[in-house]
Amino acid sequence: DAKTTQPNSMESNEEEPVHLPCNHSTISGTDYIHWYRQLPSQGPEYVIHGLTSNVNNRMASLAIAEDRKSSTLILHRATLRDAAVYYCILRDGLGLGMRFGAGTRLTVKP
Amino acid sequence: DAGVIQSPRHEVTEMGQEVTLRCKPISGHDYLFWYRQTMMRGLELLIYFNNNVPIDDSGMPEDRFSAKMPNASFSTLKIQPSEPRDSAVYFCASSLALIRRPTDSPLHFGNGTRLTVT
Repeated sequence: DAKTTQPNSMESNEEEPVHLPCNHSTISGTDYIHWYRQLPSQGPEYVIHGLTSNVNNRMASLAIAEDRKSSTLILHRATLRDAAVYYCILRDGLGLGMRFGAGTRLTVKP
Repeated sequence: DAGVIQSPRHEVTEMGQEVTLRCKPISGHDYLFWYRQTMMRGLELLIYFNNNVPIDDSGMPEDRFSAKMPNASFSTLKIQPSEPRDSAVYFCASSLALIRRPTDSPLHFGNGTRLTVT
């Protein structure tokens, strides 16, 4: 699986937007970019995914760079419940298993 | 939909004992994954199945670990004999395979089994 690089931690204030970056310079043309998050004492939870175009859903937005070597998960208004570890993962076209990195621990301050 | 169901939620056992973790995937899902999470190593993919057939078990740490999927609604991960270093949270996940874009399908995780081996 292609690897991703994320900052270890980030902080945000409640009700402000949060931009979580991810670098994936070795991404291949068939790799999908997936984002998951893990709240304390829970299993990872799917957030959003995309291939080339920017994506929006009820949880977040995903902005993908034109060269696809980086992406940004955008939480439009952070809440205390968004405090979690966020994982950026590439799902390749050869194998379907997904391997997680260390992720970014997001702290939301009231 | 009840989601992915794992049992037990917590398991405490002594070194050398056999441990069996259980998983019921979401009905209709084609893929099932087993992960292990520790503070030191993070989330590790152990093995995954497609239509009950193991596809990639390269993440299984050693012969003490085995996984089976006898039918589409049930999977087990067995550790025999267990060791203290096996202490971790074990997650099961399932996904639906879109016929044309199998890599597009997100994973749905269970709440995990916290294993403690003393």
